[in-house]
Amino acid sequence: KNEVEQSPQNLTAQEGEFITINCSYSVGISALHWLQQHPGGGIVSLFMLSSGKKKHGRLIATINIQEKHSSLHITASHPRDSAVYICAVRSEYTGNQFYFGTGTSLTVIP
Amino acid sequence: GAVVSQHPSWVICKSGTSVKIECRSLDFQATTMFWYRQFPKQSLMLMATSNEGSKATYEQGVEKDKFLINHASLTLSTLTVTSAHPEDSSFYICSGGGSVEQYFGPGTRLTVT
Repeated sequence: KNEVEQSPQNLTAQEGEFITINCSYSVGISALHWLQQHPGGGIVSLFMLSSGKKKHGRLIATINIQEKHSSLHITASHPRDSAVYICAVRSEYTGNQFYFGTGTSLTVIP
Repeated sequence: GAVVSQHPSWVICKSGTSVKIECRSLDFQATTMFWYRQFPKQSLMLMATSNEGSKATYEQGVEKDKFLINHASLTLSTLTVTSAHPEDSSFYICSGGGSVEQYFGPGTRLTVT
């Protein structure tokens, strides 16, 4: 069983739609990261969370430590949001160990 | 935010040759950097932890003699893929940061022909 599970694996949305990507994890963590990977591979770090909620532009990330769950929301989605979104958690105990979800592939259609 | 760069961004090499990939932290000092590998349609997998001034720590199943890591300064870690084979073709990514923040490099796509 993977330490980090994401859903959905694939998501297609119409431009303008509100999008939610979910991440559940099974290990104790010190931080959770949401990463964006565009075709061609480059990774951009969107958020680092240890509690609560963060907002950056049209992106919102929330985390519930008790439930070991995080969500990434995209409001007013745009075709340029099309990418793979990866949830990564940093182990509370090993410190250095990152566990990655398999990613959610998002396609936003104009 | 802090920036991590990688060089080259892509490389094609012949089977049997060695390839060096650089990972630099541009505006912070990284005593620890991490090297990941990503095969198509799979998630990132940690290969090794690079420690400045000491030997790298490799994950199970990663050959330390094949993937040589050198972390000679607080801003530079290098990964050398020795005697590369086509199955080493992958996307290699590094990251660095502190105990909480982590910054990812843009990745290096290696194709071995």
